[in-house]
Amino acid sequence: ELKVEQNPLFLSMQEGKNYTIYCNYSTTSDRLYWYRQDPGKSLESLFVLLSNGAVKQEGRLMASLDTKARLSTLHITAAVHDLSATYFCAVDHQGGSEKLVFGKGMKLTVNP
Amino acid sequence: DVKVTQSSRYLVKRTGEKVFLECVQDMDHENMFWYRQDPGLGLRLIYFSYDVKMKEKGDIPEGYSVSREKKERFSLILESASTNQTSMYLCASRQGWEKLFFGSGTQLSVL
Repeated sequence: ELKVEQNPLFLSMQEGKNYTIYCNYSTTSDRLYWYRQDPGKSLESLFVLLSNGAVKQEGRLMASLDTKARLSTLHITAAVHDLSATYFCAVDHQGGSEKLVFGKGMKLTVNP
Repeated sequence: DVKVTQSSRYLVKRTGEKVFLECVQDMDHENMFWYRQDPGLGLRLIYFSYDVKMKEKGDIPEGYSVSREKKERFSLILESASTNQTSMYLCASRQGWEKLFFGSGTQLSVL
């Protein structure tokens, strides 16, 4: 059974600082997705990582995928308050089923 | 622009009522999903559908059923609502292995 774990689950950081958050998964997959959720809102897609070594960047966020280690990282550079949100990673089952399994989400608070 | 529309943003129902949550997508996607989201538990898959009239159980299907009579519409049914089904319900769709597109969610309260 595919399990997805995010670490940490809560993060409070100051503006201007850098930090990396982690997403581990338990079985083979080469498709991983990052989503963002603002309070009271639905999820919106941030990154789609489709192969080992994939790296995507958007503004102050950079995501990477290491399929051998079953690990994705989301790196935050020079955080700003607008990045405060909950971040989810999700992994596809490999082997036919098109359902995504989500981690529990990491709530990020960026303080001025 | 891509759209997944859920019929209600907020819903209040009584224990024992039959509840229908509707979801419509305009992207011609084959795959549609129902998740529920609870604090501390993340998103959990209830059911998904990979084609019209086809469905598959997710991780927590008990107490729910689904219907997909047309490609664009996926309904979640609570046969007899209970208080432990109070939650945020999120519908999503995708084509193949592409990213999920989510609706805005339905906050259901069962009293």
